[in-house]
Amino acid sequence: SAVISQKPSRDICQRGTSLTIQCQVDSQVTMMFWYRQQPGQSLTLIATANQGSEATYESGFVIDKFPISRPNLTFSTLTVSNMSPEDSSIYLCSGWGRGNEQFFGPGTRLTVL
Amino acid sequence: DAKTTQPPSMDCAEGRAANLPCNHSTISGNEYVYWYRQIHSQGPQYIIHGLKNNETNEMASLIITEDRKSSTLILPHATLRDTAVYYCIVRVDGNQFYFGTGTSLTVIP
Repeated sequence: SAVISQKPSRDICQRGTSLTIQCQVDSQVTMMFWYRQQPGQSLTLIATANQGSEATYESGFVIDKFPISRPNLTFSTLTVSNMSPEDSSIYLCSGWGRGNEQFFGPGTRLTVL
Repeated sequence: DAKTTQPPSMDCAEGRAANLPCNHSTISGNEYVYWYRQIHSQGPQYIIHGLKNNETNEMASLIITEDRKSSTLILPHATLRDTAVYYCIVRVDGNQFYFGTGTSLTVIP
């Protein structure tokens, strides 16, 4: 399966600022997704990142708070905007390749003070 | 929303088989069952998936009931490194995954 890398691996940010997380896949994938995992919780799907068009957001997530870009088939970014301590989570991206497997990046651990 | 329910935690003795159950009573006919595990908040790792038939790979076996309303993941010889949270997921039409709460498996020496 493909390999996904994320940058940064972790960050500590101040309230009210924004952070952009990068997700790079080592091969082309048909679909990419972004998830949030709050402390001690399971993964929650934020959105499907669509290549060349606006992302498809899940209920409870909006573009103004979590803008997503996907300029090509191997790269996507997620921005966490106007952050508050409640945004402290692990953010993970995933990809769906030619096989029947969704594979995940290592995650970005975000702490908001 | 997640289509699966799992027990929150299980213990297994090292070297014994770990049997992790999952209920997915509302699964549709063309939806696959996937199993992943997550160790220490790393990215989830794929284990196995199936539709109707039982499946086996180098990591585990997947047993799906005939009515497809439940399944069991079997780790044949659990080791300490198998301690993790195991997620049973139903893959919906758009290939999205909606994770449930998972089962925290502890392998005991």
